[in-house]
Amino acid sequence: KNQVEQSPQSLIILEGKNCTLQCNYTVSPFSNLRWYKQDTGRGPVSLTIMTFSENTKSNGRYTATLDADTKQSSLHITASQLSDSASYICVVSPPSGGYNKLIFGAGTRLAVHP
Amino acid sequence: SQTIHQWPATLVQPVGSPLSLECTVEGTSNPNLYWYRQAAGRGLQLLFYSVGIGQISSEVPQNLSASRPQDRQFILSSKKLLLSDSGFYLCAWSSKRISYNSPLHFGNGTRLTVT
Repeated sequence: KNQVEQSPQSLIILEGKNCTLQCNYTVSPFSNLRWYKQDTGRGPVSLTIMTFSENTKSNGRYTATLDADTKQSSLHITASQLSDSASYICVVSPPSGGYNKLIFGAGTRLAVHP
Repeated sequence: SQTIHQWPATLVQPVGSPLSLECTVEGTSNPNLYWYRQAAGRGLQLLFYSVGIGQISSEVPQNLSASRPQDRQFILSSKKLLLSDSGFYLCAWSSKRISYNSPLHFGNGTRLTVT
């Protein structure tokens, strides 16, 4: 069964600190892997996307990495800000099928404290 | 630019009452449309998707139904709500062709509480 598992489930860090969120997947092969940010009570917003051949992708203070051999992705947040408090969702696209075949992780809930 | 509107933002309904959640998309034509449910601690679950007017695919058997009366309008309905229908419902749209730089675009969701 294709799965996407994220860790930790929740995380608390102090403002200005760095953190790394993990995503392990069993979807193989896959087309691309996205990270979404979801503020409380809002819809998810795409942060980064990587194909299976890409190793890293940055979007400001967010850097996603991908290791297709170990089937792991990470999202690194640098110099965290209070506005980074949100859930971060890892989403994998199987090569066959459309957006209706996306596999979502349960997310990591990040809280940044002053 | 494209925008997606979803309403209401929150809704409290008694068990057995009907439901109608609406989603509209602006700034694009002939999009694929989706309804997701998000439960705490679980990944988004696809409920319905539509590739065109009147074309609905159901992913999970349940107490809900969906309709697409217009190109950019997607409605989630129920004739009689159950307690288990409580949750956070998200509408989304995508382009017809899957592309590297084209993600799913989500609305801001409806928090439904069935009492």
